Parts: sequence; structure tokens; C-alpha cells
Amino acid sequence: AQSVTQPDIHITVSEGASLELRCNYSYGATPYLFWYVQSPGQGLQLLLKYFSGDTLVQGIKGFEAEFKRSQSSFNLRKPSVHWSDAAEYFCAVGTDSWGKFQFGAGTQVVVTP
Amino acid sequence: NAGVTQTPKFRILKIGQSMTLQCAQDMNHNYMYWYRQDPGMGLKLIYYSVGAGITDKGEVPNGYNVSRSTTEDFPLRLELAAPSQTSVYFCASSYSPGTSGGADTQYFGPGTRLTVL
Repeated sequence: AQSVTQPDIHITVSEGASLELRCNYSYGATPYLFWYVQSPGQGLQLLLKYFSGDTLVQGIKGFEAEFKRSQSSFNLRKPSVHWSDAAEYFCAVGTDSWGKFQFGAGTQVVVTP
Repeated sequence: NAGVTQTPKFRILKIGQSMTLQCAQDMNHNYMYWYRQDPGMGLKLIYYSVGAGITDKGEVPNGYNVSRSTTEDFPLRLELAAPSQTSVYFCASSYSPGTSGGADTQYFGPGTRLTVL
């Protein structure tokens, strides 16, 4: 069965420091991978996605993610976080041709001054 | 474009009451989805639709029903509300599977926060 694991439930990072959020998936075929961000009280906004090609993908708000097939990972990174990056981040895998997603449990990011 | 809209934003129900959560999109997307979000659990798929008149169950369909009579609208019905249905509900839509037949970006509404007491 497909699964998505975000090992870190909660991460605290200082403003200006780098951030890396981990995502591991279990899926038999070539995965369609997504990172979404959810600000408090809001819906989910797409940060970036990977379907094929270059394994390093750039997204909005200065985020990037790297697909590593050998490690079944799709980790999200940002070189320097801003206070506005405090939010919950979800990794998702597209699991079939009906467009259904499997979501990870999410990582809550807190940014300190 | 308004994107994906959901109404109401908040609702409190008593046990056994019924209600319909509304979802509409103006992007001419064929695929629509209903999720529930519980703390620490991510999003779980309730029902989905691949076009008008075509719906199917997701991971957690019990206690819910859907219909899709138009491309734009995808309402979610709770018939007999239970405390276990207290959650935040999100509707999403996507145009079609990706160019290679896989998933495509889903666009989310702002959510409905439902409390059942």
C-alpha cells in the first residue's frame, strides 16, 4: 500500500536559518510528488511539484525540493526562512490516474526571532 | 477567477442533525475531491468525482454522501451528524490526470470548520 511519511511533526527554526523538511514515500511506480503549505486558518497552497525530469525542482516563496529515487524521498528546503514561513507543510503523493493523493501527516514549522 | 469556494466557513451541529457542505469551482475542472483534516492526521479523502454524475468513495466515506450534477458543484452531505465528524473539511479540484496519466495539481478551497456537539 502507498504511504507518505513526514518524520518531523514539529520543527523550530530561527529566522534567517535554513530549513529542511523530510518526506519519504512508499509507492510502486513513478510517483507524482507535491509539497503544500497551509497557513493558520487557510486552505492548502501548492509550493512545488515533481512529475519527471530534473530531480531538483524550484517552487514559490524560495522553496526547492529534491527527488531521490534511491532513498524514496522528496525533501523540501529553503536557504533562509522568514517569519512568514511559519505554517504547516504537507507532502503528498499522487497515487493513481484518478488524481487521488496520499498526504503525509504534516510538519508544523515555528519561526523564532 | 474565484477558484474553489466553500460554504459555510464555520458550523456547529447537534448530534443527529444533517447538513450539506457546499463546494464550487470556476476553473472548469473535471476532478473534485472532499477531504477531512484532523490534527496530526494530515488529510484523508472522503469522496471524489471525475466528472458530472460520476463519484466514488475515498478512504473515509462512512457517514457522508456526495452528488455531482454539474461540473462546477460538488456538495458533501452529512445525514446524521456524530461527534466523530468534528473536523475541518476541504474541497479540492484538478483539471485532469497529469500528461502522463498520473495525478495533477489539486487546488484547495479555504475549508469548513465543523463541530458536532
